[in-house]
Amino acid sequence: DAKTTQPNSMESNEEEPVHLPCNHSTISGTDYIHWYRQLPSQGPEYVIHGLTSNVNNRMASLAIAEDRKSSTLILHRATLRDAAVYYCILRGYSGAGSYQLTFGKGTKLSVIP
Amino acid sequence: NAGVTQTPKFRILKIGQSMTLQCAQDMNHNYMYWYRQDPGMGLKLIYYSVGAGITDKGEVPNGYNVSRSTTEDFPLRLELAAPSQTSVYFCASSSIGVTADTQYFGPGTRLTVL
Repeated sequence: DAKTTQPNSMESNEEEPVHLPCNHSTISGTDYIHWYRQLPSQGPEYVIHGLTSNVNNRMASLAIAEDRKSSTLILHRATLRDAAVYYCILRGYSGAGSYQLTFGKGTKLSVIP
Repeated sequence: NAGVTQTPKFRILKIGQSMTLQCAQDMNHNYMYWYRQDPGMGLKLIYYSVGAGITDKGEVPNGYNVSRSTTEDFPLRLELAAPSQTSVYFCASSSIGVTADTQYFGPGTRLTVL
């Protein structure tokens, strides 16, 4: 799978929007962009994914650059519960039928009350 | 639905001991996965299964074995525990395993090998 680059950490004030960036300059045309997050002492949970167009769901929005070399996860109003490590993952067929998720270190988001 | 469940939550093993980490899902998912997460790091895939009776190695399979006799269960076996296997283990499942699919994770098993 192609590599992603994320900042190690970010801070946000509670109830303000948060923009979490991800660079993936070697993305292939068939790679989906997935975001997962991991709250303290819990397993990862799915947030959102997209291929080319911007996507919205109840948790967040995903903005994908036109050239697909970067994307941004947008939390519209950060709450204390959003404090977590956010992983940007490119999902592609590995050739061995694994369809695995390849996790990097992610971005640790801190939310300030 | 309980989703993905894992037992035990915590375990301390001595070097050379064996144990089985249990994982079960009630979502009728065909694909199941075992990951490990070392402190401060992302998750790494140990083994995965595309259906009952079919398993394959992931990125870090050495020291582990798996079996998949039913759709619901995917146990992970450690035969000779080593300190390098101290980690948090997560089981996950997904319905179809294609690139747009979502994986659902269990709460994890924290294993310490002394």
